[in-house]
Amino acid sequence: DGGITQSPKYLFRKEGQNVTLSCEQNLNHDAMYWYRQDPGQGLRLIYYSQIVNDFQKGDIAEGYSVSREKKESFPLTVTSAQKNPTAFYLCASSKTPSSYEQYFGPGTRLTVT
Amino acid sequence: SQQGEEDPQALSIQEGENATMNCSYKTSINNLQWYRQNSGRGLVHLILIRSNEREKHSGRLRVTLDTSKKSSSLLITASRAADTASYFCATERPRDAGGTSYGKLTFGQGTILTVHP
Repeated sequence: DGGITQSPKYLFRKEGQNVTLSCEQNLNHDAMYWYRQDPGQGLRLIYYSQIVNDFQKGDIAEGYSVSREKKESFPLTVTSAQKNPTAFYLCASSKTPSSYEQYFGPGTRLTVT
Repeated sequence: SQQGEEDPQALSIQEGENATMNCSYKTSINNLQWYRQNSGRGLVHLILIRSNEREKHSGRLRVTLDTSKKSSSLLITASRAADTASYFCATERPRDAGGTSYGKLTFGQGTILTVHP
């Protein structure tokens, strides 16, 4: 059963703590993406990776970090430097970086208090 | 800044009616895509239309693209209560000289569609 998974579905953290969100895909896709969605808003790109061992900053990368050591995995770390981390985080993948649709995971809702 | 802007922000219709959502964008594009999101879930891809295409159909969905007006529309015919969701357009820009925009999608803020049974 191919797809893209994110865990956990809900995550609660205290302010000042780093937290890592998991994203795994078994679609053999080259490209992977992390987005942030705030209530009533569209998606904003945090980081993306076109190929293993390479990634680029998106539009709102400050306070976040990523790694792409394996094709299937693209974890996102929300650091204590992120001023407003509470949001819905969506991971996506696509067959190639360009001209293909993106497949989305179910999302992780992060609440920082 | 948002590349795609959807209109209307919210649309409420009765089952069986058609629903039309519009998307405008600012710069040249490689393609434009429409996605659907049920509340609290991930996005699902609906249709991709390339910059050299003018119209595309998929089941009850019809998408048009007018690159001269930098706009697109999504028509859902004979709507059902199960079509209730948020709908987003997303644009992919052509690859620039530095390759920085390659494959990146820019999403609009979405249209919330409610279909009443």
